[in-house]
Amino acid sequence: KAGVTQTPRYLIKTRGQQVTLSCSPISGHRSVSWYQQTPGQGLQFLFEYFSETQRNKGNFPGRFSGRQFSNSRSEMNVSTLELGDSALYLCASSAELNSPLHFGNGTRLTVT
Amino acid sequence: AQSVTQLGSHVSVSEGALVLLRCNYSSSVPPYLFWYVQYPNQGLQLLLKYTSAATLVKGINGFEAEFKKSETSFHLTKPSAHMSDAAEYFCAVIQMDSSYKLIFGSGTRLLVRP
Repeated sequence: KAGVTQTPRYLIKTRGQQVTLSCSPISGHRSVSWYQQTPGQGLQFLFEYFSETQRNKGNFPGRFSGRQFSNSRSEMNVSTLELGDSALYLCASSAELNSPLHFGNGTRLTVT
Repeated sequence: AQSVTQLGSHVSVSEGALVLLRCNYSSSVPPYLFWYVQYPNQGLQLLLKYTSAATLVKGINGFEAEFKKSETSFHLTKPSAHMSDAAEYFCAVIQMDSSYKLIFGSGTRLLVRP
């Protein structure tokens, strides 16, 4: 079974731009979550989707948004990028509630 | 709300020595606990999980963890460290609500000396 796939792996953007990151979950997994990882703040929860519905959202500004498609693939969007948005963005999928999360290799976003 | 605390941001051991990475949790209900490992430039890989079936949990790569309710701990151990174990390790607990949300500890970087 293929793992969680995130594209692109690396991205360089300029302040004020917007960016879209993509995540394909493991086949059959309906829950997709996004996490931001930075050296200073560690791993922080962004949001979780299940069957195209956002079930939970972390403490991030409205510039961070996401969606999930009917095939469970998910995208997250960050608008009006700031330098502090530079991070590793990790996507994870799960088969059901309380089963382990399976992570992708992440997208490394650098904002200059 | 659930939370986890990892003691020690860096742990250094010699190859062949015991590995002990500490994790304490805070939860008002029986927790679901996990240990993940992250190698450079990669995502997180599940090492093991505790779901109340057994207090001693065996994971991949020779790691195991023991759930101790009286100490609210879930420490990760490995009898003999290998150079390939050098990585960052994260303890995590599930936030108990209607969605799936993991609360991570701050991580412990394991260094293995030859």
